[in-house]
Amino acid sequence: NAGVTQTPKFRILKIGQSMTLQCTQDMNHNYMYWYRQDPGMGLKLIYYSVGAGITDKGEVPNGYNVSRSTTEDFPLRLELAAPSQTSVYFCASSNQGQGEAFFGQGTRLTVV
Amino acid sequence: KQEVTQIPAALSVPEGENLVLNCSFTDSAIYNLQWFRQDPGKGLTSLLLIQSSQREQTSGRLNASLDKSSGRSTLYIAASQPGDSATYLCALLSNTDKLIFGTGTRLQVFP
Repeated sequence: NAGVTQTPKFRILKIGQSMTLQCTQDMNHNYMYWYRQDPGMGLKLIYYSVGAGITDKGEVPNGYNVSRSTTEDFPLRLELAAPSQTSVYFCASSNQGQGEAFFGQGTRLTVV
Repeated sequence: KQEVTQIPAALSVPEGENLVLNCSFTDSAIYNLQWFRQDPGKGLTSLLLIQSSQREQTSGRLNASLDKSSGRSTLYIAASQPGDSATYLCALLSNTDKLIFGTGTRLQVFP
């Protein structure tokens, strides 16, 4: 019972590099979310999706892109990494938007 | 725009005390509200989920209530223990399908 799986767990990027944070869930949830959490702060919503082929912006979408080609996967892409994107990134999923939300273990990203 | 605020921001109590953590929101058009626990450097653990039609949920020493009309939810922790030390976060699912988090309460329970 894997739940929500995020890879990688840790990553160091240089300014201007790009990368994709992977998120996969095996619970057949249609809602998925990406958040960032800066030290000592709460979670800020980056992007979310209510189903395959549908994505929408959250509170802090600038510098990020997402896609949702399947129900299971919701990758988050950083095109030109900046130091301001140093953070811990969490992915979550829930069933039909009314069920319990489950979170991955996070990806700790440092941009230098 | 939905705003979610948690008070207090930090709390330090001796073991055995009963605690109330507060979560306030500005828009009552929500589907549900969920309480999470986060240990330092770790992910989020779900504690309780309250649907918009419900008034409260209980799990062990935890009880969460929801009053949509006043825009408030409370998490009650009975007989606190040092193992309860963590950050507690509330999150609500708005009717725009966004799951929005509060600012968090950092709890320390000392022996």
